[in-house]
Amino acid sequence: DAKTTQPNSMESNEEEPVHLPCNHSTISGTDYIHWYRQLPSQGPEYVIHGLTSNVNNRMASLAIAEDRKSSTLILHRATLRDAAVYYCILRPANAGGTSYGKLTFGQGTILTVHP
Amino acid sequence: EPEVTQTPSHQVTQMGQEVILRCVPISNHLYFYWYRQILGQKVEFLVSFYNNEISEKSEIFDDQFSVERPDGSNFTLKIRSTKLEDSAMYFCASRYDPNTGELFFGEGSRLTVL
Repeated sequence: DAKTTQPNSMESNEEEPVHLPCNHSTISGTDYIHWYRQLPSQGPEYVIHGLTSNVNNRMASLAIAEDRKSSTLILHRATLRDAAVYYCILRPANAGGTSYGKLTFGQGTILTVHP
Repeated sequence: EPEVTQTPSHQVTQMGQEVILRCVPISNHLYFYWYRQILGQKVEFLVSFYNNEISEKSEIFDDQFSVERPDGSNFTLKIRSTKLEDSAMYFCASRYDPNTGELFFGEGSRLTVL
């Protein structure tokens, strides 16, 4: 799988926007960009994914660079509950079947949210 | 909202003992997975399971590990003879869509091997 690079940690204040960057310079044309997060003492949780266009859902937005070598997860108004480890993961679009669920987690970015 | 449930939440066992970790995936899901996370380390893929057989397994998933779906609702991970290094959080996950879609994880079972 192509490699992703994320900052080890970031901090934010409650109710402010947070931009979590991810570099994936070796991404291939068929790789989807997935974001998961892991709250303390819990299992990973899906956040969002995209291929080329920016994506929005109820949890976050995903901004994908035009060359796809980087992406940014945007939390529009951070809450204390958003404090978690955020993982940026690449998945090949042609990895169908069970392979699509085989995620390769890195160390992720530890997000601290201050009240 | 449907969720993946895992039991027990914490199990303490002696080295060499057999352990079975149980998972109830979301009811209409077709693909099942086990991951583990040693304290302070990355989440690691162990095994994937579909249509009552293992689809893929990692190097970690050696002969001491086995999985089964005994009754159409539970999905179990068995470790035959536990080692100290098996101490970790074990996460079960499932999904429905074969080509896209999110993976739903349980809250994990913490295994402590003494």
